[in-house]
Amino acid sequence: DSGVTQTPKHLITATGQRVTLRCSPRSGDLSVYWYQQSLDQGLQFLIQYYNGEERAKGNILERFSAQQFPDLHSELNLSSLELGDSALYFCASSPFGVRSYNEQFFGPGTRLTVL
Amino acid sequence: GIQVEQSPPDLILQEGANSTLRCNFSDSVNNLQWFHQNPWGQLINLFYIPSGTKQNGRLSATTVATERYSLLYISSSQTTDSGVYFCAVEYDRGSTLGRLYFGRGTQLTVWP
Repeated sequence: DSGVTQTPKHLITATGQRVTLRCSPRSGDLSVYWYQQSLDQGLQFLIQYYNGEERAKGNILERFSAQQFPDLHSELNLSSLELGDSALYFCASSPFGVRSYNEQFFGPGTRLTVL
Repeated sequence: GIQVEQSPPDLILQEGANSTLRCNFSDSVNNLQWFHQNPWGQLINLFYIPSGTKQNGRLSATTVATERYSLLYISSSQTTDSGVYFCAVEYDRGSTLGRLYFGRGTQLTVWP
C-alpha cells in the first residue's frame, strides 16, 4: 500500500458525460500528479499540482481539468467524454515540487470505461 | 522529448530462473524509478535509482547514468513476479521537471 488513495476504483459512463476522479496523497506529500494509461499511448503524464498550485502540464486535453484543494487532495474532472477516454487513471504523490530525489508513489488507479 | 526504451518487450520464464531487464534513455536524467504493475493494475515502487546500485531481496537494480541505461535483475523468479515492469525517468529541460516519462514496459510471465 503506497498510502495514496483514489476513488472510485471503477467508473462506467456514457459518451458526452462528465466524471470526477478523486485522489488523496500520502501524508506529508505536497505534490500530486495525474497520469493516464491506455493501450495505445502507454503511461502519460497529464498534470501536476504542488501545494494547491498548478506546476506542470503534459498531454492533458482541454476537456480535462484538475485542481488541488487546501487539504491537498486533488480531483481530475473529465467532461464531454469520448470512447477514447477509456483508460486507467493514476494519481501519484511526492514530497516536493520540482527538485531532485523526489520519488513518486502511485495510487491504485481508477479504471474509466466510456460506453 | 526524452526517449525511454525497454527491452525485452516480453519475457517468459520458469520459476527459479534469473532475468535482466534493460532501460535505455536518450538524455541525462535527474531521477529514475522502476515499477512493477501487477495483474490487478497496481503500480508498485521497486527502486528509486538515478545512479548506482541497490538491492531489495531477490531484486536489484543498477543505473549507469553516464551511459544512459539502467538494469533490473530478478533472481530466483516466482509466479508472483509476473506482470509488467516499467522504467520511468525525470529529466531537466525546464518545463519537463516533475513529470515521469515511462517506457513501454517489459511483460514478464513466470510459469510454475
